[in-house]
Amino acid sequence: GQNIDQPTEMTATEGAIVQINCTYQTSGFNGLFWYQQHAGEAPTFLSYNVLDGLEEKGRFSSFLSRSKGYSYLLLKELQMKDSASYLCAVREPGGSQGNLIFGKGTKLSVKP
Amino acid sequence: GAGVSQSPRYKVTKRGQDVALRCDPISGHVSLYWYRQALGQGPEFLTYFNYEAQQDKSGLPNDRFSAERPEGSISTLTIQRTEQRDSAMYRCASSLRQGGANVLTFGAGSRLTVL
Repeated sequence: GQNIDQPTEMTATEGAIVQINCTYQTSGFNGLFWYQQHAGEAPTFLSYNVLDGLEEKGRFSSFLSRSKGYSYLLLKELQMKDSASYLCAVREPGGSQGNLIFGKGTKLSVKP
Repeated sequence: GAGVSQSPRYKVTKRGQDVALRCDPISGHVSLYWYRQALGQGPEFLTYFNYEAQQDKSGLPNDRFSAERPEGSISTLTIQRTEQRDSAMYRCASSLRQGGANVLTFGAGSRLTVL
């Protein structure tokens, strides 16, 4: 099974940079996803990492270290619309390799 | 369809009744997933299918929960003899293929309330 940990809540200021961390413990690993979920809406895909390093996509970047079981999501030039929950999810290996296991999510509040 | 469609969007039922939740995935998507999400929590895995085959049902809480996808497209999640603790948002997702970088696209969910 998987154990995925991320902070419950974070607060940041509009225009700033925020880093949301995710640690995972697993017997295997087949990729890590970040999803964004606005209140009352469905989760939407942000990024995918399977190799170590940084993946950049506009204002959002995601980093992975497989040896440390660690990932972070970096949000730059924060906007009010970035207020949402951010979900870290790990893809299971082996026979269940299609499945994603989600963390509890980090609720980010962006203040003016 | 263009997106993942779930119905009903809202279901209120009395304890002990059976409910069926429907998911229509994105056309051509092979893999279909069911999750349950409590308020303020991440989605909790229930089960998933490739085509019509149920690949993993390890997340189903007990034998009152079952799911099927008989023709490899539309899926139904059935909860028998509902209990108040079953109240939650039930989310369906689909992906083009299984595994790797294949992204799950979620539907809007079915909000179940058991009185």
